[in-house]
Amino acid sequence: GQSLEQPSEVTAVEGAIVQINCTYQTSGFYGLSWYQQHDGGAPTFLSYNALDGLEETGRFSSFLSRSDSYGYLLLQELQMKDSASYFCAVRDGTGGFKTIFGAGTRLFVKA
Amino acid sequence: EPEVTQTPSHQVTQMGQEVILRCVPISNHLYFYWYRQILGQKVEFLVSFYNNEISEKSEIFDDQFSVERPDGSNFTLKIRSTKLEDSAMYFCASSGATGGTGELFFGEGSRLTVL
Repeated sequence: GQSLEQPSEVTAVEGAIVQINCTYQTSGFYGLSWYQQHDGGAPTFLSYNALDGLEETGRFSSFLSRSDSYGYLLLQELQMKDSASYFCAVRDGTGGFKTIFGAGTRLFVKA
Repeated sequence: EPEVTQTPSHQVTQMGQEVILRCVPISNHLYFYWYRQILGQKVEFLVSFYNNEISEKSEIFDDQFSVERPDGSNFTLKIRSTKLEDSAMYFCASSGATGGTGELFFGEGSRLTVL
């Protein structure tokens, strides 16, 4: 089976940097994704790491260490609109096609 | 920009009734999924569908659930006899390929309330 662990909530101030960690256990690992979900909205894709290292997309970066079964999402220059839930998700490469989500980290950005 | 559309946006039903949730995935996508999210909780995988058959399903996806692609555009989730605990937001998603990022494109969801 699969399990993912991430903090339940994080609070930071506008303009700051925040890191959301994720550890995972899975029988067949394909890659680690991050999704953002605003209240009442659908999850939207942010980033994906299949290989070790850092991927940067604007203010957001994501890191993966396959040997440690660990990744993180780094959000820089935080804005109020970044207040949302962030989910790490594992693509399972065994059998069929599925992406399993963690429980989510609720980010509160304060002025 | 292409998007996944879902109907209805909200459905209220009595326990024991059948419910069909409908989705139109992005037109050139080949992989289709249903997820559900109980209010404030995680996004839970239900089922994936490819080449007109179920590819994977979770323990939640028991005999009460079924999926169908009745034509070239729609993808439906049927719950045969709803229970109170089926109350949740149901998200349909599609993806173009399992290679690359495997990005899932989600619809806006169908909120199901079982009374």
